[in-house]
Amino acid sequence: EAGVTQFPSHSVIEKGQTVTLRCDPISGHDNLYWYRRVMGKEIKFLLHFVKESKQDESGMPNNRFLAERTGGTYSTLKVQPAELEDSGVYFCASSRLAGGWSTDTQYFGPGTRLTVL
Amino acid sequence: AQSVTQPDIHITVSEGASLELRCNYSYGATPYLFWYVQSPGQGLQLLLKYFSGDTLVQGIKGFEAEFKRSQSSFNLRKPSVHWSDAAEYFCAALTGTALIFGKGTTLSVSS
Repeated sequence: EAGVTQFPSHSVIEKGQTVTLRCDPISGHDNLYWYRRVMGKEIKFLLHFVKESKQDESGMPNNRFLAERTGGTYSTLKVQPAELEDSGVYFCASSRLAGGWSTDTQYFGPGTRLTVL
Repeated sequence: AQSVTQPDIHITVSEGASLELRCNYSYGATPYLFWYVQSPGQGLQLLLKYFSGDTLVQGIKGFEAEFKRSQSSFNLRKPSVHWSDAAEYFCAALTGTALIFGKGTTLSVSS
């Protein structure tokens, strides 16, 4: 079974540019999550999809971030325009059970390292 | 507010020595707790999890963790460390659907 994949693995952009990160969850996983780790800080939750619907986006930092999950499969996270403080590692995770409360294991991808210059 | 604390940023142990990584949580209800490990270039891999029941949890790669409600702790242990265990370790608690992570502990293994 293929794991969670993320693309690209690294991205270096200039302030003001747009970047789109992609996550492909494990096949059949209804739950998809985005997390971010800013250097020196904890990994923090950004948002949660159940299939194609946003279940919880309380962790999204501001309206420069837009997440979508087309047809309940892969997800994209767009940052537009990027700012210096957006630099960090963006992780995607997926889990099997549908519903608002899930104790099922979240499986993580390798992350995308974003550097904004 | 819920929080997870890993007091040690960096730990070095000798190969073959025992290991204990500390984790404390702050959460009103019984938490669901996890330990993940991240090796360089890899994603976060689940080592073990605690939901309920036996407070001593066995995981992969010879790791175990003990949930102690009285101390609000969920420390990770391994009796004999291997060089391949060098990585960053994260303790996390599940609140709703989101995981709350500690800052991580980097483990170095000396020969």
